[in-house]
Parts: sequence; C-alpha cells; structure tokens
Amino acid sequence: NAGVIQTPRHKVTGKGQEATLWCEPISGHSAVFWYRQTIVQGLEFLTYFRNQAPIDDSGMPKERFSAQMPNQSHSTLKIQSTQPQDSAVYLCASSLDSGLNTGQLYFGEGSKLTVL
Amino acid sequence: GDSVTQTEGQVTVSESKSLIINCTYSATSIGYPNLFWYVRYPGEGLQLLLKVITAGQKGSSRGFEATYNKEATSFHLQKASVQESDSAVYYCALRLSGSFNKLTFGAGTRLAVCP
Repeated sequence: NAGVIQTPRHKVTGKGQEATLWCEPISGHSAVFWYRQTIVQGLEFLTYFRNQAPIDDSGMPKERFSAQMPNQSHSTLKIQSTQPQDSAVYLCASSLDSGLNTGQLYFGEGSKLTVL
Repeated sequence: GDSVTQTEGQVTVSESKSLIINCTYSATSIGYPNLFWYVRYPGEGLQLLLKVITAGQKGSSRGFEATYNKEATSFHLQKASVQESDSAVYYCALRLSGSFNKLTFGAGTRLAVCP
C-alpha cells in the first residue's frame, strides 16, 4: 500500500519564479493537509481539505500561495513569485475522514523547495 | 494561540539508557486537547508514535510511554531503555477538541542513540 506521494522531492527555483508542488494522498483518504517546515518556524500548518473542499487555510500566507484539490487523488500547492524566505520543506499529509477522528495523519516525505 | 514546547535541539543517549523528552503545551480552547507524539526516522515520512485523547491517561508504543498530565499541561515522552534504532526526530503535537485533524506541532527533538 503506497503512502502519501509528494513530487518533486527537491525543487530549486530562482527568485520570482513559480513553484508547484504535488501531493497524492493515500487511496481512500479524503482529508489532505499541507504543512511547511523550516528550522526557524518548525512545522507550520498551512491549509487542509476534506472531500476536496477547502476547510481551513488560516496558515496560508495571504499573497502568492494557493492550494487546490481538483480530485480525490491529488492536491497541489502553488507559490507564485517565489522569494528566498519561501525556502522550506513542504509536507503533505492525508487522513481518513471518519467518525473516529483519531488525529492520525499520514505524511509524505516532503518536497524541499530552495529559492535562490 | 495554541503552542507546544519540547526539549530543544538534540538529545544524545547511550544505548540501553533511559530517555525523557519534555513536552508542555498551551491551548486556548475550552476543554482539553488531544496529545500526540510523532516520529521521523531517517529516510521516512513523519508517522504517529502514540496518542492520548483523554487527560490523565497514558499512551504507549514501541517501548515509549507518555502520560497526559492536565494539571502540568505536560506530555513527556519516556523510554526505559533506548536502542540505536530509536535514533530519529520526535515531535510533540496537540489537536484541539473539535478541530478535526489539524495538529499543532512542537519544534522537534533529535534523538541520537550511541552504541
């Protein structure tokens, strides 16, 4: 059973370019989460979806960042006009959406974004 | 806002010795949060180690234990005898009641176990 798949694993962009990160959740999981990890801020929540609907984007920077989940099998995180401070590891996680609500997230290995 | 504070940086322990990684939390919602320890082994994704949903209870997994102490707002991770294979980064996390699976994480503690 494949886990959460994130691509690319590493991405290097120049300042001002666009970066798109992809996430494929575990089959059957209907909730998808995006987190950002940096040395300074640690693991920060960005946004999440349930059944493809955006539920909470309170952690998303107001400008340049957007996330979508066009179907059950993938979600994207897009960063426009990337800046050096966007350099981070972006983690995607999925979970079951059930009455159990266990709090268990299944994480991918992350996409490391470096903005030069 | 909600926050989790855990032992900073790296902890180095000799194999077969005991371990404690401290975790305290602050939660703004009414009611008690649910508490978690996640672990990231080298080359793998972050994964759940153990969880405790109810204040006052203890969770355990792979020889690790953590007790949810609501008075001290703590959830320290302990193991009586560590192994080299326990070397990893450990994250304490909380989930507010009613917030589905949105977690707030601590900064992480790297455990290095020396043979």
